[in-house]
Amino acid sequence: KNQVEQSPQSLIILEGKNCTLQCNYTVSPFSNLRWYKQDTGRGPVSLTIMTFSENTKSNGRYTATLDADTKQSSLHITASQLSDSASYICVVSSSGTYKYIFGTGTRLKVLA
Amino acid sequence: DAGVIQSPRHEVTEMGQEVTLRCKLISGHNSLFWYRQTMMRGLELLIYFNNNVPIDDSGMPEDRFSAKMPNASFSTLKIQPSEPRDSAVYFCASSLVVSTDTQYFGPGTRLTVL
Repeated sequence: KNQVEQSPQSLIILEGKNCTLQCNYTVSPFSNLRWYKQDTGRGPVSLTIMTFSENTKSNGRYTATLDADTKQSSLHITASQLSDSASYICVVSSSGTYKYIFGTGTRLKVLA
Repeated sequence: DAGVIQSPRHEVTEMGQEVTLRCKLISGHNSLFWYRQTMMRGLELLIYFNNNVPIDDSGMPEDRFSAKMPNASFSTLKIQPSEPRDSAVYFCASSLVVSTDTQYFGPGTRLTVL
């Protein structure tokens, strides 16, 4: 069964600290993996998209990694800011029919 | 570019009524996605189009839901008749191509069915 699991469910960190969010998937055949940031009351915003051959992709202070062998991805946030407080959603799509399977998200709270 | 535009932003209706949600794609984009988001189920893909053609509608919950793209820049999602369990935030997103391109989301329509 195609599934995407994210951990932790929620996370609280202090401003300036780093954090890492996890995404494990069982989607097959794999096409790509996306990380989205969603602020409260707004639509998701794409952070990164990675295909099978990509191990790391950065977008400013956000760095995503992908291990296609273990079917794991992580999103690392460096020097967190208050504006990083949001939900982070991992989405994996399968090739061919482009099915999109969504994780339930990690809710991050950055405190001053 | 103004980005993806959705209307209305909020809709409150009574059970049994028809609801139509609207979405305008970013100019030049060829793919359109409709999503639904609730606290219980998170973000779900309902249907997506490529070049005005529906590609996958397996996420549409039941026959009460229908989506159309009457032209390359505009789409509607219709619920008839609406039910309280349809209450959710509905997003549409567009992208240049359907496969690995970035999807740009609209601000969403918050639907409440009483």
